[in-house]
Amino acid sequence: NAGVTQTPKFQVLKTGQSMTLQCAQDMNHEYMSWYRQDPGMGLRLIHYSVGAGITDQGEVPNGYNVSRSTTEDFPLRLLSAAPSQTSVYFCASSYGRGLGAGELFFGEGSRLTVL
Amino acid sequence: RKEVEQDPGPFNVPEGATVAFNCTYSNSASQSFFWYRQDCRKEPKLLMSVYSSGNEDGRFTAQLNRASQYISLLIRDSKLSDSATYLCVARRAGGGADGLTFGKGTHLIIQP
Repeated sequence: NAGVTQTPKFQVLKTGQSMTLQCAQDMNHEYMSWYRQDPGMGLRLIHYSVGAGITDQGEVPNGYNVSRSTTEDFPLRLLSAAPSQTSVYFCASSYGRGLGAGELFFGEGSRLTVL
Repeated sequence: RKEVEQDPGPFNVPEGATVAFNCTYSNSASQSFFWYRQDCRKEPKLLMSVYSSGNEDGRFTAQLNRASQYISLLIRDSKLSDSATYLCVARRAGGGADGLTFGKGTHLIIQP
């Protein structure tokens, strides 16, 4: 029972490099989202998707792109990495709107360091 | 004022004791609430959902006070394995993932 799978778990980048964090879920969830977690800041929403083909910005979208071509996959792209993007990134999914929308299933996280 | 506020702690509690901590929210339109547990260097995991006045699951009880805009989490007979950070989440009415607001978490340490 895989749930939400994120890769890679660890990554070190140099400033200016680009990369993609992969996220896949096998629960047929409508909602998928990306968060970053920084010390003292809590979880902040980067981008989210309410279904295949539909994405929207969250609280801190600058420097990141997303796409949702299938229900299962929701990759997060860093276009030109900056040290301020050093963080732990979590992908999450949920059933969608309604009461269950707040019941998130998280991936194990991706620890990104930008030098 | 932050939308969801939690005392960061740490709360140091002896094993077997009862511990409670609160979470206050500023958006009166918040409809439902959630407690997540996050172990060190791990992902958050849902502990409890609160859709009405409260919820109970074994040793864990969540109480919602809409008049005073806070939600509490009570842990009875605490275990060493309860040591973690507890995140409070509020969801505004009609919102999905974009309608969730996370608190920064309360760090709980259960001591033997």
